[in-house]
Amino acid sequence: EDQVTQSPEALRLQEGESSSLNCSYTVSGLRGLFWYRQDPGKGPEFLFTLYSAGEEKEKERLKATLTKKESFLHITAPKPEDSATYLCAVLGAGGTSYGKLTFGQGTILTVHP
Amino acid sequence: DAGVIQSPRHEVTEMGQEVTLRCKPISGHDYLFWYRQTMMRGLELLIYFNNNVPIDDSGMPEDRFSAKMPNASFSTLKIQPSEPRDSAVYFCASSSTGTGTMGGYTFGSGTRLTVV
Repeated sequence: EDQVTQSPEALRLQEGESSSLNCSYTVSGLRGLFWYRQDPGKGPEFLFTLYSAGEEKEKERLKATLTKKESFLHITAPKPEDSATYLCAVLGAGGTSYGKLTFGQGTILTVHP
Repeated sequence: DAGVIQSPRHEVTEMGQEVTLRCKPISGHDYLFWYRQTMMRGLELLIYFNNNVPIDDSGMPEDRFSAKMPNASFSTLKIQPSEPRDSAVYFCASSSTGTGTMGGYTFGSGTRLTVV
């Protein structure tokens, strides 16, 4: 069974204070690792897909990286509008996991001005 | 594109009543997913369809839950009878296989269900 563990559960930063969120995973045949952002009262919003170890993706102040066991979401000089829950998910290739994402519990990020 | 459209946005019902949640996926997407989100358990996959055919319903909690996808532009999730423990936010999402590697899902805004 695919599993995703995110840490920390919650992270409080001052505006401009860079940090990283962690996503550890076990999956049968990784077909993709996904990062989403979720704002209160809304559905998750897709950010990145990473397919293989060593791959990196960037979007504004966010950069996602991938190794064979974990992914990091680096936030550089965050702003209050970056406050949200960040979700990590994996797409496996084995058995009934084909086609479906398994999500972690998420990290709640709060950026104070 | 209007995105994935779910209705209603909020539903309050009494225990024992039937509840029907609705979803219109993005046109052209061949996968449709129903997820449930709670504080305790996070996002849980209930069931997913590929080309309108149910592929995996192992996440459906029990026989009280059923889902249908009569055509490519509409799906329903029904709970009968509803119980207080079914209270959660239910999300519908759709995706496309594109070139063969699935991209990210597009989620709807969700239906917040409260069973009293």
